[in-house]
Amino acid sequence: GAVVSQHPSRVICKSGTSVKIECRSLDFQATTMFWYRQFPKQSLMLMATSNEGSKATYEQGVEKDKFLINHASLTLSTLTVTSAHPEDSSFYICSAREGVTGELFFGEGSRLTVL
Amino acid sequence: TQLLEQSPQFLSIQEGENLTVYCNSSSVFSSLQWYRQEPGEGPVLLVTVVTGGEVKKLKRLTFQFGDARKDSSLHITAAQPGDTGLYLCAGDQFYFGTGTSLTVIP
Repeated sequence: GAVVSQHPSRVICKSGTSVKIECRSLDFQATTMFWYRQFPKQSLMLMATSNEGSKATYEQGVEKDKFLINHASLTLSTLTVTSAHPEDSSFYICSAREGVTGELFFGEGSRLTVL
Repeated sequence: TQLLEQSPQFLSIQEGENLTVYCNSSSVFSSLQWYRQEPGEGPVLLVTVVTGGEVKKLKRLTFQFGDARKDSSLHITAAQPGDTGLYLCAGDQFYFGTGTSLTVIP
């Protein structure tokens, strides 16, 4: 089946630094990718929808200047957490929509810990 | 945001028991997905239901989509420790339910 890869899988950073998380569709082109945030034992919260070549659409309450999303190619979207603080610590998951079938495939997630 | 409520939120049962997880919403969805997620990993799709009243079976798992396409249920027969995980329903692929954490005790 289709594979979506996230990198890094785990990252620890100091408060005030910025962290970039990559989401790649390895064997298909994804015109649309989605970014989610998940707290322990809770559900996935949709943060933003990323369309290749255009600006991301953010869900209500998500700071676009805090969570920068770039979808520069049909196989890569990046999420940059700027000036990270401990409250940004979370599990971030991406998904990519396969262009022909419309099926959604999820990445393995990236755990961010801000000290 | 379209809210999907799952119940129960937590469930701990003995191996061999049966269980049902419910996913309810006031919104109508074109499709509804069920996922299973293990700690530290992304969710894995179990099934997609699209027709009101539809029933799908996946080995010991039975999924049903409500007639009005607002709710769904997941029934597991003879649960096994390998069924342990977080079960998530999602409406139209994007809007996730509140989640049900299942633990099956050997």
